[in-house]
Order: sequence, then structure tokens, then C-alpha cells
Amino acid sequence: EAQVTQNPRYLITVTGKKLTVTCSQNMNHEYMSWYRQDPGLGLRQIYYSMNVEVTDKGDVPEGYKVSRKEKRNFPLILESPSPNQTSLYFCASSLAQSSGANVLTFGAGSRLTVL
Amino acid sequence: GEDVEQSLFLSVREGDSSVINCTYTDSSSTYLYWYKQEPGAGLQLLTYIFSNMDMKQDQRLTVLLNKKDKHLSLRIADTQTGDSAIYFCAEIRRGSQGNLIFGKGTKLSVKP
Repeated sequence: EAQVTQNPRYLITVTGKKLTVTCSQNMNHEYMSWYRQDPGLGLRQIYYSMNVEVTDKGDVPEGYKVSRKEKRNFPLILESPSPNQTSLYFCASSLAQSSGANVLTFGAGSRLTVL
Repeated sequence: GEDVEQSLFLSVREGDSSVINCTYTDSSSTYLYWYKQEPGAGLQLLTYIFSNMDMKQDQRLTVLLNKKDKHLSLRIADTQTGDSAIYFCAEIRRGSQGNLIFGKGTKLSVKP
């Protein structure tokens, strides 16, 4: 089944404890992106990647890192999580984004709580 | 102001039509999208429309695009309780490297 898989789905952690949210897609998509969803703010883009070894900042990149060493994986790294990073995180991918419709496939989401 | 604006809530009765509205500010937007998010799930693409189209219909869904007013709407005919979800409007702007800009979402509640 074509899908975007995120792990963990739920995580409670403490301030300053490094964590990684993994994202993997099995559709050979070039484009991948991370969003966070917060009440009243909708979805905001954190980072995106147009292809392997190519990443760029979205609208809210502070406090996050990403890497794209392989086409299928796009992990989101929180080096020193803070309570304001408590959110619902979504990874998404698409076949191509440089032209045409960029139809995103989303993962199921990762709910992160930072105490 | 927001790039993409939607009302936050809509409540309808089962069997009625639902109309969810969206306004965007960038006239260079090339594609406009509607995504659906059911409780506890990720977003799923419902439909999208290219900016040179006025209307797109797909079964119970009708998308209308008014480029002059930068207004996009999603009409759901014969709304069912299974249509209860959050609906996001999104745009992709020419020259933006294909990144989508999402509205805050409209929560549709369908009453039996």
C-alpha cells in the first residue's frame, strides 16, 4: 500500500531531551515536507526537501532540523525540545513539485507533548 | 492578514448541502486544493482545481473558483455524518517551489 509512515504516533518527553520523529514513504516521491498543526493556526510548514540532500526552511523552522540522506526517509529532529514545540506533526510527500499540481500524501500524524 | 482564509466552523443537517468557502490573496496561485482531515487522521486530498478553470465536479463535490474575487468554494451535496471533518483549503503559488499554503481549516459538523 502506498503510504507515508510516521513514528512515533504519540510521544511525551521532557524539555531538552533530543528526539527524532521518523518519516518514510514508499512511493518514490521526490518532494517531502514537515508540518505542524496547532489549534487556531492551521498547518504551518517546518522544512521541506525537493530531493536527496536538498532541504530548505519553511515558515517555522526554529528549533528543528531535518536530513534527507535517502529518497524515502525524511526525519525531523528536535535537538532540545521545548514546551512550545508541543504539537501535532505531519509528514507529507509528493511525486513532483516543480511544475503541475503538487498532490501531497500525508502521514497519520505524530502527537508530541513536551513537558 | 492571512494568505488563505476560511471560516472556522460550519454546521449542517444530514441530507442538506454544505458550502465551505475560502479566500486567497495571491492572484498568481496556480493550483487550489481541498483536503479533508478526519478525527485522529492525516489530511487526505479531496480535489484540486487549476487556476484556469471555473468549476470542477466530482460526484457529490463541486468546486467553484472565482478568480476575480479570489474565492474558492467546496459544495458537498447530500451531506452525510461521515462528512464530518475539518476541511482545509490550500494554494500553490507560481514561483514558490511548489509549497502549499494552507488555510486554518473549517470544521464541518453534520447533525442527524
